[in-house]
Amino acid sequence: GAGVSQSPRYKVAKRGQDVALRCDPISGHVSLFWYQQALGQGPEFLTYFQNEAQLDKSGLPSDRFFAERPEGSVSTLKIQRTQQEDSAVYLCASSPGAYNEQFFGPGTRLTVL
Amino acid sequence: KQEVTQIPAALSVPEGENLVLNCSFTDSAIYNLQWFRQDPGKGLTSLLLIQSSQREQTSGRLNASLDKSSGRSTLYIAASQPGDSATYLCAGDAGNMLTFGGGTRLMVKP
Repeated sequence: GAGVSQSPRYKVAKRGQDVALRCDPISGHVSLFWYQQALGQGPEFLTYFQNEAQLDKSGLPSDRFFAERPEGSVSTLKIQRTQQEDSAVYLCASSPGAYNEQFFGPGTRLTVL
Repeated sequence: KQEVTQIPAALSVPEGENLVLNCSFTDSAIYNLQWFRQDPGKGLTSLLLIQSSQREQTSGRLNASLDKSSGRSTLYIAASQPGDSATYLCAGDAGNMLTFGGGTRLMVKP
């Protein structure tokens, strides 16, 4: 019955370190989305899953970004060799399906030093 | 590529005022238009979703309208309260992604 949850809520990484961000969608939601929100800006789309299939990854900024949802539920966004420009809030959203209302988690604030 | 613009970027009003937040989008081929509220350091809370076949939605003191032909949506807040202070974001839904505006930062002063 809970909403979308994300962990960790805050992550500080040294430049060059790999990080993994977790998203637990609302139970039964088929669609899962990742967004990146820079300070003072609106979120920007990164990638979209329908069940376990990644149908759109056009928003991923580089090949250092990788997302997966192997069992069609929990999703992980991985960033390899983090850089300072990766510092942002990473938001996860889920919905019952395409064209439905999206529900957002609290986000993970990533700071790369 | 869809572009979404929100005006004004920031707004400060005294408590009790009725106010209108504007959102414009370049591609009318959207399925839904969704309005969100974001408090500092928090995620997004969905306020209203307007389907492309609808012209408006209402929830309490909030009313959102959608005019696809002109590429515009407005969020009307009646009798504003200090608790309404937050950033308001609109987003066009293409089915597999939301395209967000930059948001309007609203401050309602007691």
